[in-house]
Amino acid sequence: NAGVTQTPKFRVLKTGQSMTLLCAQDMNHEYMYWYRQDPGMGLRLIHYSVGEGTTAKGEVPDGYNVSRLKKQNFLLGLESAAPSQTSVYFCASSYVGQEAFFGQGTRLTVV
Amino acid sequence: GENVEQHPSTLSVQEGDSAVIKCTYSDSASNYFPWYKQELGKRPQLIIDIRSNVGEKKDQRIAVTLNKTAKHFSLHITETQPEDSAVYFCAASWDSGGGADGLTFGKGTHLIIQP
Repeated sequence: NAGVTQTPKFRVLKTGQSMTLLCAQDMNHEYMYWYRQDPGMGLRLIHYSVGEGTTAKGEVPDGYNVSRLKKQNFLLGLESAAPSQTSVYFCASSYVGQEAFFGQGTRLTVV
Repeated sequence: GENVEQHPSTLSVQEGDSAVIKCTYSDSASNYFPWYKQELGKRPQLIIDIRSNVGEKKDQRIAVTLNKTAKHFSLHITETQPEDSAVYFCAASWDSGGGADGLTFGKGTHLIIQP
């Protein structure tokens, strides 16, 4: 039982490059979330999904896209990376109104 | 949307003393209030949570209180130990069976336990 797994753990991108972060959960959770964590800013919600095939915008969605084609996977895409997207990204999953389990995080640096 | 304020941003206490972290929220529809602990370089992990139909919940040295009228909730840690040193986040969300919002987090409190 792996819980929530994020791929990759670290990445360095050049400005303008694109990439996809993968989140996989094996707990059959309906809800999945992408957060970014910046010093002094806490965790801010980027996008979330309440079920397979659904997505919704969170607090800071600009510059990101997501897809939830399979219940267990939630992908976060950066089409044209900017230095302001340098951050630690956390994926999480949960049942409705229950504890959210977090992945180990992805440290992304955009130069 | 929901807004969660957390205070203080840094809290230093002597080992063995108590620590209290306070949060306020803005959306009266919020009904789920978890607290997460994050050690350096690690993922956030749930330590305790409370729902709007409960005023207080305790788990060994950790307790959480909720005042729905005033829209604030607090984390209490008694008999603090060195391993309690970490960043603590409060959060709020609502769920209504047919759908839910994501968790809105406070900015975090860096708790330092002095030996």
